[in-house]
Amino acid sequence: EIVLTQSPGTLSLSPGERATLSCRASQSVSSTYFAWYQQKPGQAPRLLIYGASSRATGIPDRFSGSGSATDFTLTISRLEPEDFAMYYCQQYGSSPWTFGQGTKVEIK
Amino acid sequence: QITLKESGPTLVKPTQTLTLTCTFSGFSLTTTGVGVGWIRQPPGKALEWLAVIYWDDDKRYGPSLKSRLTITKDTSKNQVVLTMTNMDPVDTATYYCVRRPVRGANWFDPWGPGTLVTVSS
Repeated sequence: EIVLTQSPGTLSLSPGERATLSCRASQSVSSTYFAWYQQKPGQAPRLLIYGASSRATGIPDRFSGSGSATDFTLTISRLEPEDFAMYYCQQYGSSPWTFGQGTKVEIK
Repeated sequence: QITLKESGPTLVKPTQTLTLTCTFSGFSLTTTGVGVGWIRQPPGKALEWLAVIYWDDDKRYGPSLKSRLTITKDTSKNQVVLTMTNMDPVDTATYYCVRRPVRGANWFDPWGPGTLVTVSS
C-alpha cells in the first residue's frame, strides 16, 4: 500500500498570498495517477486536480498541480477567502487507492 | 447534472450489519469505464477508500476491510449498495458515495453529500 504524507499539517496564510502544499508518496506513483481534493467544514470533498496537473471542471486557474514519482505539489497562486479549507491528495496508480492525511489552509 | 446520494441508518449497534444505498442520477453504470465507490471519513480524520464496483460488475475492495464488505449494483434502479458486517464503534464515520468517471483513472468526481453513521450500543 502506498502511504501519502502531506506537509505541512497546517498552513497559515493571508488572502492574496501563495499557498504551496506538498504530498510525498512512499513509492513512485505514475504522474497520471494523482489527484487533489478540497474539503470545507461540513461538506463532501471536491475534486480539484487529476492526472497530477489537470484541473477538474469549473476549478479556477489559480489552482495548479505538479510533480512526479514520489513528490507532488498543489499550488494556489493567490488565496481567495473561499480557499481556506482542508486539502487531500490521493494516488490511484496502485490499489488500494490511498489518501494523504490532509493539509489545513487557515487564515493567518 | 450528476448527483449521488447516500441513504441508510444513522445509528447501528456493535456487531450489527450496516447497509448503505447510493442512488445516483445523470449517468449510467452500464457505460464502459464508469464505476461507483464508497469512501469513509471518521470524525476529524482523513479519507479511506472502501470499495468500488465497475460497469462490468468487477469489484475491488480496500484490504483492511475486505473481509467485511460487499458491494453490489442495481443498474435498473441506478443504485449501488454497500454492506459492512460486524460493525464496531471505530467504524463511526461519514460514508460517501462517489463516481469513478472514466476507465483506468480512479479519481472520484463527484461525491455525494455523505451520511454519518454512528456505531453505539
